[in-house]
Amino acid sequence: GQQVMQIPQYQHVQEGEDFTTYCNSSTTLSNIQWYKQRPGGHPVFLIQLVKSGEVKKQKRLTFQFGEAKKNSSLHITATQTTDVGTYFCALSGAQKLVFGQGTRLTINP
Amino acid sequence: NAGVTQTPKFQVLKTGQSMTLQCAQDMNHNSMYWYRQDPGMGLRLIYYSASEGTTDKGEVPNGYNVSRLNKREFSLRLESAAPSQTSVYFCAIQPWTSPQHFGPGTRLTVL
Repeated sequence: GQQVMQIPQYQHVQEGEDFTTYCNSSTTLSNIQWYKQRPGGHPVFLIQLVKSGEVKKQKRLTFQFGEAKKNSSLHITATQTTDVGTYFCALSGAQKLVFGQGTRLTINP
Repeated sequence: NAGVTQTPKFQVLKTGQSMTLQCAQDMNHNSMYWYRQDPGMGLRLIYYSASEGTTDKGEVPNGYNVSRLNKREFSLRLESAAPSQTSVYFCAIQPWTSPQHFGPGTRLTVL
């Protein structure tokens, strides 16, 4: 079945620094979703990307879908302590989601 | 949690014991899912149910059974718990063509 590789697995930054996590697939994706999970919490949907080359912004978060629809990224500008958590990408298809391994973001205030 | 409840919140079992994790939704959606989450492993699908009365295996179904007796409830059963089943279990629902909504999770420890 389809799989997605997510890197890095961990990232520690100073508050105010930028952060990026990447998802890569060997096959063309129909769409990709991003979720955030706070420590001790449950995954919460952030956004879905569908179109080739799509870029969407949510305040300090920028989501991109590659031109070939095989990769995606989430970039956070000027991290804040509220950004702490694990970020997952997920492929949707056949009534199921396949999640990447996640990138755990920790922040030094 | 978009109307998804899970019980219990925490559970400790001894090896060989059985238990059922309960998930219920109040949003009348067809699709329901069970995931397990282990450190560094992301979320792995155990079983899912596209509609009342139907269930399908996911990526890691061994050691689990599920039951979808009605549209509202989807239960996950461990017949003989093993330490390898220590994990956090999440139930999720998916409105048609919309993203999944997750319950708060059940933290299970098997000694």
